[in-house]
Amino acid sequence: RKEVEQDPGPFNVPEGATVAFNCTYSNSASQSFFWYRQDCRKEPKLLMSVYSSGNEDGRFTAQLNRASQYISLLIRDSKLSDSATYLCVVNKDQAGTALIFGKGTTLSVSS
Amino acid sequence: SAVISQKPSRDICQRGTSLTIQCQVDSQVTMMFWYRQQPGQSLTLIATANQGSEATYESGFVIDKFPISRPNLTFSTLTVSNMSPEDSSIYLCSVQDGRRSNTEAFFGQGTRLTVV
Repeated sequence: RKEVEQDPGPFNVPEGATVAFNCTYSNSASQSFFWYRQDCRKEPKLLMSVYSSGNEDGRFTAQLNRASQYISLLIRDSKLSDSATYLCVVNKDQAGTALIFGKGTTLSVSS
Repeated sequence: SAVISQKPSRDICQRGTSLTIQCQVDSQVTMMFWYRQQPGQSLTLIATANQGSEATYESGFVIDKFPISRPNLTFSTLTVSNMSPEDSSIYLCSVQDGRRSNTEAFFGQGTRLTVV
C-alpha cells in the first residue's frame, strides 16, 4: 500500500462546480496533514493545513478522519484559477517534519 | 515565510558526470530537505540535510549517489553523481521550521535535470 493515495485524475469540471478530492494515508503515526497546490512546472505551495475538527478557508474545506486515515478537500464554486494539481501531504512520522506527498489529483476548470 | 534561491534552474548533462545543485535561503532554518519529482510523479523525499552532520537518507537513496552538504543554517547542496538517464527529474530544495511538525514547507523553484 502506498503511503499516501489519492483519487486518480484528472477532474474536468465547469466553472461554479463543486469538486471533492479524497486521500488515504497508511501511517497511523502521522500527526500533520496538508493540502498543497502545484501549478504546471512550478513548485508546490501550501493550500491549507488539515485539522481534526475540519477547517474552512473561503471556498475550500478540508476534513480529516483519523480513525479511517482519510483526508478530503472540497472546493466550492470552482474558478478557472483553481486549475492545478492538488497534493495530499502527511508528515513522515510522529515527531518529524519531513513530508510524504501523494501523487496528486489534477483539476481542470473550464468556462 | 522563507525565500529560497535554487540553482541551476535547469541543466542538460552527459551520463557519467555529476551535477551539484545549490539551495540558498534568506533566513536561518532548522530543517532543510531535498526532494525529487520524476515526470508525472509526485515528490519523493531524498534526504534531510542536517547542519554540521551527515544527511539522513530515505530508503532507496544513498550518500554515494546523492552527497549532501549543509555547512550552515541557510545553505545546502545536493550532488547527483555518476548520472544516468534515470536521474532525469526535477530536484527541489525545501525548508521548514523544525520546532513544530505542522509547519508549512517552502520550496525552491526546482532544478530540471536532463541526462543524455
